[in-house]
Amino acid sequence: GAGVSQSPSNKVTEKGKDVELRCDPISGHTALYWYRQSLGQGLEFLIYFQGNSAPDKSGLPSDRFSAERTGGSVSTLTIQRTQQEDSAVYLCASSTTGTEISDTQYFGPGTRLTVL
Amino acid sequence: AQSVSQHNHHVILSEAASLELGCNYSYGGTVNLFWYVQYPGQHLQLLLKYFSGDPLVKGIKGFEAEFIKSKFSFNLRKPSVQWSDTAEYFCAVNVHNNNDMRFGAGTRLTVKP
Repeated sequence: GAGVSQSPSNKVTEKGKDVELRCDPISGHTALYWYRQSLGQGLEFLIYFQGNSAPDKSGLPSDRFSAERTGGSVSTLTIQRTQQEDSAVYLCASSTTGTEISDTQYFGPGTRLTVL
Repeated sequence: AQSVSQHNHHVILSEAASLELGCNYSYGGTVNLFWYVQYPGQHLQLLLKYFSGDPLVKGIKGFEAEFIKSKFSFNLRKPSVQWSDTAEYFCAVNVHNNNDMRFGAGTRLTVKP
């Protein structure tokens, strides 16, 4: 079946511009996560959506970062006024419930963001 | 600060050598532990996970990991690596009842044929 998809696969932007990254989770998965992977770093948790509950935004690094999840499915991560330190691979993952710790997260291929 | 540490950034082995990748975490309380693998050009995928019970966990492709609570460790092992094990390996910790999954920086494994 279809896995988690993300678009675009690569995005090059100029400093100060806004970008939107999209994630399509696996159909039926109620939990959706965004992570950031910088060069030489582990994956950094950004935000978590579970069903219709308020998202857990505790990992967002600044107020320039925001995310939405429409209709409980597709999610968009928006970075406003991009900075060079925002350059990273942004990964999306989904899982069946998100409330059971045993749920396995399935990852998308990521979007590589380069801010010039 | 709470963290997940992977001691080796890059490990190079010959085929049939034994593998052990270190992972230590600094969280207190009940944790759930994971190893993820990313093969070249592929997505991150789950290798194995520990939640409770037997601290020696078996995963896919002959991998196993042992949770040693007193050492805050969850090292990954494989008795005999293959060229196809070349990948990046990430240790991750989820604090019980918390949505926040913390990943280590990853260890790149290169297996020479």
